[in-house]
Amino acid sequence: GNSVTQMEGPVTLSEEAFLTINCTYTATGYPSLFWYVQYPGEGLQLLLKATKADDKGSNKGFEATYRKETTSFHLEKGSVQVSDSAVYFCALSSGESGTGTASKLTFGTGTRLQVTL
Amino acid sequence: DVKVTQSSRYLVKRTGEKVFLECVQDMDHENMFWYRQDPGLGLRLIYFSYDVKMKEKGDIPEGYSVSREKKERFSLILESASTNQTSMYLCASSFSGGGGRTYEQYFGPGTRLTVT
Repeated sequence: GNSVTQMEGPVTLSEEAFLTINCTYTATGYPSLFWYVQYPGEGLQLLLKATKADDKGSNKGFEATYRKETTSFHLEKGSVQVSDSAVYFCALSSGESGTGTASKLTFGTGTRLQVTL
Repeated sequence: DVKVTQSSRYLVKRTGEKVFLECVQDMDHENMFWYRQDPGLGLRLIYFSYDVKMKEKGDIPEGYSVSREKKERFSLILESASTNQTSMYLCASSFSGGGGRTYEQYFGPGTRLTVT
């Protein structure tokens, strides 16, 4: 079955530090890959996505590249801010097209990021 | 703006009570989902629905049921609440995939349910 493995948190960084959150996956076929972010007290929101190998998703200074050879989708940001403090979830979707299963997601366990001044 | 709303942010119920969690989306999405979120376990899919009156079990359906009588509304029902159902419950919706495309899921703010 499908699975997503994320690095354990919490990750604590000083403002302007470089961020990497590792994510690897196991899936059949050609999954789409996502990073979602959950700010305190809120639901999840999509941060970025990539739908095929070598695609790079980017948003708000965050980037992740779909690496099929290493089955990875690591999240990076060059300079984090206090406002980036949140829980980050890696997820994949590999359902069959044309059916309701196409949008089912498998999530990792989440990585909490704490950014301090 | 896509909006997914959930009926309560916080809920406290007693063991054995019947509990209804309601979710409404305003984007005419075909798919709707119920997850529970627990520390260290991430999000786990309870049930999802890909059309009105259609439902499929997710990874952890035991102790739960769902109802989708209208396209915009998806209800999660705990027939007899137990303490191990204390959790954060998240609702989400999305368009259906087609032609290999996967659409993102839009999430509500969550309901923190405590069963005592």
